[in-house]
Amino acid sequence: DIQMTQSPSTLSASVGDRVTITCRASQSISRWLAWYQQKPGKAPKLLIFKASSLESGVPSRFSGSGSGTEFTLTISSLQPDDFATYYCQQYNSYSPLTFGGGTKVEIK
Amino acid sequence: QLQLQESGPGLVKPSETLSLTCTVSGGSISSGTYYWGWIRQPPGKGLEWIGSIYYSGSTYYNPSLKSRVTISVDTSKNQFSLRLSSVTAADTAFFYCARIYDAYYMDVWGKGTTVTVSS
Repeated sequence: DIQMTQSPSTLSASVGDRVTITCRASQSISRWLAWYQQKPGKAPKLLIFKASSLESGVPSRFSGSGSGTEFTLTISSLQPDDFATYYCQQYNSYSPLTFGGGTKVEIK
Repeated sequence: QLQLQESGPGLVKPSETLSLTCTVSGGSISSGTYYWGWIRQPPGKGLEWIGSIYYSGSTYYNPSLKSRVTISVDTSKNQFSLRLSSVTAADTAFFYCARIYDAYYMDVWGKGTTVTVSS
């Protein structure tokens, strides 16, 4: 299976900050990566697919980049609604779908 | 607007079989582009994909759970179901059903349901 490692596991930031979360794959997954946001007690919400494609309705302050084994999710200006846990997920062909361990974005 | 709703017992005894159903509304489960799947999340932990099914019945499962998992689909009811056998306390989790674009990523999720394994 392809292992996904996120860093940091917890991030403290203030409203207005630029935030970057990293996700690394144990082998190349091209650009087959999605990002999700999850708030406490709620289902995850798709933010980005194919590494950098923004899901419809997701604010443009969210962006994704990367290919191969290293990927980033960036929030350009953190808003109060963005405090949540973020997960990456790979979907490389012929491999089981796997998620990263999550990054919790907390209020500083 | 497509909605998914999980249903099933919230408490299952150890060694028994966990059974959940996901009812799809606002769209057809027979849409060609999508698979339908189950994901679980133990309390305070991360997400784990359990398996996915196409409306034709084609399935693929997480190898770590494959020996215990069965996912089935009922297109006449617009539902798909999960059975997880021989459960232990380690299977206690929040279970989500989701629509999976082309078997790749989950673009619509149910609200989830909690299942506790305990005697």
